Amino acid sequence: DIVLTQSPDSLAVSLGERATISCKSNQTALYSPDKYYLAWYQQKPGQPLKLLIYWASTRGSGVPDRFSGSGSGTDFTLTISSLQAEDVAIYFCQQFLSTPWTFGQGTRVEI
Amino acid sequence: QVQLQESGPGLVKPSETLSLICNVSGGSITNHYWSWLRQPPGKGLEWIGYVYFTGGTNYNPSLKSRVTLSVDTSRNQFSLSLRSVTAADTAVYFCAGSNRFYFDLWGRGALVAVSS
Repeated sequence: DIVLTQSPDSLAVSLGERATISCKSNQTALYSPDKYYLAWYQQKPGQPLKLLIYWASTRGSGVPDRFSGSGSGTDFTLTISSLQAEDVAIYFCQQFLSTPWTFGQGTRVEI
Repeated sequence: QVQLQESGPGLVKPSETLSLICNVSGGSITNHYWSWLRQPPGKGLEWIGYVYFTGGTNYNPSLKSRVTLSVDTSRNQFSLSLRSVTAADTAVYFCAGSNRFYFDLWGRGALVAVSS
């Protein structure tokens, strides 16, 4: 199985400041043949998870542009450029390169 | 707007079978791969498997021996059956829809506790 490790497990950021979350794959570049099979999701209590980023850097429908994804090979990053109060949540990375599809352990973002 | 809703018992006895249904409303069940995932309290997400509208399946090897996923296109529903449950199967169970690249549809989740 592909193991994704996120860091940090939690972080506290001031309103308007930048939040950066890392996601590292243990096995192989999540790339085939011209896309990175890495997505990011936001989880808030009692709500459906929300797709933020797919193909490592493409924003999902309706996702604010303060959210961005980057990275290559086995190292990926989710950045919230200017944290808003509504961004308090847990964030997960996930790989679609091969089954079983796997997730990072999650990063809790707080104000 | 497509919406997913999980339903089923919130409490299952050890050694019995956990059964959940996901209702797909506002869209066709033929457009996605339909997955079940779970999240034990305070822990991360685990993908259980997916079923396609044709009935084809793909299971997580860690649960494959105990899981059956099925789809009912006439009702726009798909379902999860997890046999021989233990306390370790206590979790919030999510249904979700994906293409080959990402999950773009999620239910809110259903808490299922395994306890006598």
